[in-house]
Amino acid sequence: GAVVSQHPSRVICKSGTSVKIECRSLDFQATTMFWYRQFPKQSLMLMATSNEGSKATYEQGVEKDKFLINHASLTLSTLTVTSAHPEDSSFYICSAKEGRAGGYLGDEQYFGPGTRLTVT
Amino acid sequence: QQQVKQSPQSLIVQKGGISIINCAYENTAFDYFPWYQQFPGKGPALLIAIRPDVSEKKEGRFTISFNKSAKQFSLHIMDSQPGDSATYFCAASRMDSSYKLIFGSGTRLLVRP
Repeated sequence: GAVVSQHPSRVICKSGTSVKIECRSLDFQATTMFWYRQFPKQSLMLMATSNEGSKATYEQGVEKDKFLINHASLTLSTLTVTSAHPEDSSFYICSAKEGRAGGYLGDEQYFGPGTRLTVT
Repeated sequence: QQQVKQSPQSLIVQKGGISIINCAYENTAFDYFPWYQQFPGKGPALLIAIRPDVSEKKEGRFTISFNKSAKQFSLHIMDSQPGDSATYFCAASRMDSSYKLIFGSGTRLLVRP
């Protein structure tokens, strides 16, 4: 149990285009999803927290108009990188938390396999 | 005060040895301390987690030791295997912050055969 998927696993796009990354909780309902980015040999940096049906909360320094997050259902959140530039190239990882009182997953966050974005 | 400091940055252990990774935090409001294992090109996987009401938790070869007064916690990997070679991250979070994880900087573990 507690499987989180991401699609695509890798994407290459041209500078100026937009890219959408999907994050799905496959066997549980995720009331909260988190989006991280990770540069090579570095730690994970939280970008935003999204709760189902409400607007995402962005961390300081993260451009909300550039990184659009939608959490329309309890099993799906999307991150859209708009007008991507080479400096947006990174490893994007989502995580999901059940968050339901009495839920069998407790308070753990489960991570997706990540999406490697390369902007040329 | 939100930082979690992790050491060492890298660690080399012989097969069968004990790997020890340490983390320290400042914010006493943290109430959940997980450890994650990450292989290259993959997302982190939850290994083991602890809450401050216990001083130790063991799952298989992995043990967390937690020292609330010192605000430190550590991961011990017993009988380390080459397959354990990965990057390990400690983290901390608070229930009243939607459990946002604050990650340590990571430790790259290499277990030699």
